[in-house]
Amino acid sequence: QKEVEQNSGPLSVPEGAIASLNCTYSDRGSQSFFWYRQYSGKSPELIMFIYSNGDKEDGRFTAQLNKASQYVSLLIRDSQPSDSATYLCAVILSTNAGKSTFGDGTTLTVKP
Amino acid sequence: GAGVSQSPSNKVTEKGKDVELRCDPISGHTALYWYRQSLGQGLEFLIYFQGNSAPDKSGLPSDRFSAERTGGSVSTLTIQRTQQEDSAVYLCACQRGDAQETQYFGPGTRLLVL
Repeated sequence: QKEVEQNSGPLSVPEGAIASLNCTYSDRGSQSFFWYRQYSGKSPELIMFIYSNGDKEDGRFTAQLNKASQYVSLLIRDSQPSDSATYLCAVILSTNAGKSTFGDGTTLTVKP
Repeated sequence: GAGVSQSPSNKVTEKGKDVELRCDPISGHTALYWYRQSLGQGLEFLIYFQGNSAPDKSGLPSDRFSAERTGGSVSTLTIQRTQQEDSAVYLCACQRGDAQETQYFGPGTRLLVL
């Protein structure tokens, strides 16, 4: 079992819809969770981080964390074609001395 | 500079040659990571530095790969006797060192081994 798992996709949604991206992790003691966006040919960039159970909202983006179920999700409301990218989930595992572990990413396409 | 820089941005080399890739992290960021990313693939972890030491080098694919970091700053990733399968984008990222901090990525070095 991978330490951080994401659905590889691709995920396709129409413009204006809600895109839902999911990530599960194996280490129950993990404390820090991040979502990165990577456009084709570019480096990953941080979208959101979340540390506490519940929801965290930033504009059209909402991160949801459920530590009991060991999953973290990213919702993108009113999806735009410019949101088309690969979304990477990263977790700082309690066993790894602060090192981040990335999932393989989910590719999202938003169709006009 | 304000961000992470990597050099060279592109490198074309012949099979069997050695290459050295450089990463200049953000000043004061104690954690540094090297990743490899092949076209259309996810990030492949190579090595993690905390200061000058490497508590996790489990991702280095073979003994042809090595990395060092000096002065808690600049890091170099060396690939000896390059093979065609080494062709990829090599990304460096740094982190302020606190376990709750995000990683900041450099622009990457695109390596092509002919």
